[in-house]
Amino acid sequence: NAGVTQTPKFRVLKTGQSMTLLCAQDMNHEYMYWYRQDPGMGLRLIHYSVGEGTTAKGEVPDGYNVSRLKKQNFLLGLESAAPSQTSVYFCASSPGLAGGQETQYFGPGTRLLVL
Amino acid sequence: GESVGLHLPTLSVQEGDNSIINCAYSNSASDYFIWYKQESGKGPQFIIDIRSNMDKRQGQRVTVLLNKTVKHLSLQIAATQPGDSAVYFCAEGGTYKYIFGTGTRLKVLA
Repeated sequence: NAGVTQTPKFRVLKTGQSMTLLCAQDMNHEYMYWYRQDPGMGLRLIHYSVGEGTTAKGEVPDGYNVSRLKKQNFLLGLESAAPSQTSVYFCASSPGLAGGQETQYFGPGTRLLVL
Repeated sequence: GESVGLHLPTLSVQEGDNSIINCAYSNSASDYFIWYKQESGKGPQFIIDIRSNMDKRQGQRVTVLLNKTVKHLSLQIAATQPGDSAVYFCAEGGTYKYIFGTGTRLKVLA
C-alpha cells in the first residue's frame, strides 16, 4: 500500500496562473480532505469529500475548487493563483463513519510558492 | 526541510528520559482526539487517538491522557529516542471536522 500520495511535491507559480494538485489513496477510504499548513498555524481545512462525486467547503475554501470523480482521487484546483496561496498543502483520507474509524491519514504534502 | 512553525514552543528532552507534551483543546463537545507527529518536510503521522469516554489510552511507548474538566490533552513518550524529534500536535473533533493545534517541537538531546 502506498497510502496517500500527492503530485507534485513542489511547484512555483506566477500570480494568475492555474494549477491542479492531485491526491490519490489506495486504502478504499470514503472521506478525503485538502488542508493547507502555514507557519504558526494549525492545519486548516480547504475542502473535503465524503464520497465519490461529493464535495463540501471547509474553513478556507475561497480561491480553490475540488473534484472527486473517482473514489481514490481528490483534485484541488487553483484557478488564478495569488501570493496568499503560498503554503504547504496536505491531502488526507479516512475510512469514514461506515468504516468505523475516524483517523485521517496524510500524504507527504505539496509545497506551493506563488510569486 | 522547511519548518512548519517558526515560533513553536519547544520541549528539549535528554535521550532516554520521558517526554510530556500538552495540548489545550477548545470545544467541550469534541468527542475524538488525535495526536500526530510531523517530521520536517513530511506529512503528519498518526500516533494515537482517544475518545471522550476514556481518560487514558496506551500505545507502544506512548500514552495519551484526557482531562475533560479542564479541556486538556497530553501525550507521554517513554524513553525518548532521537527518532522522536519532530513537531507534535493534537487534533480535536469527530466525523470529518477537526481543529488542529499549532504544535510543540520536541528536541531530543544526545
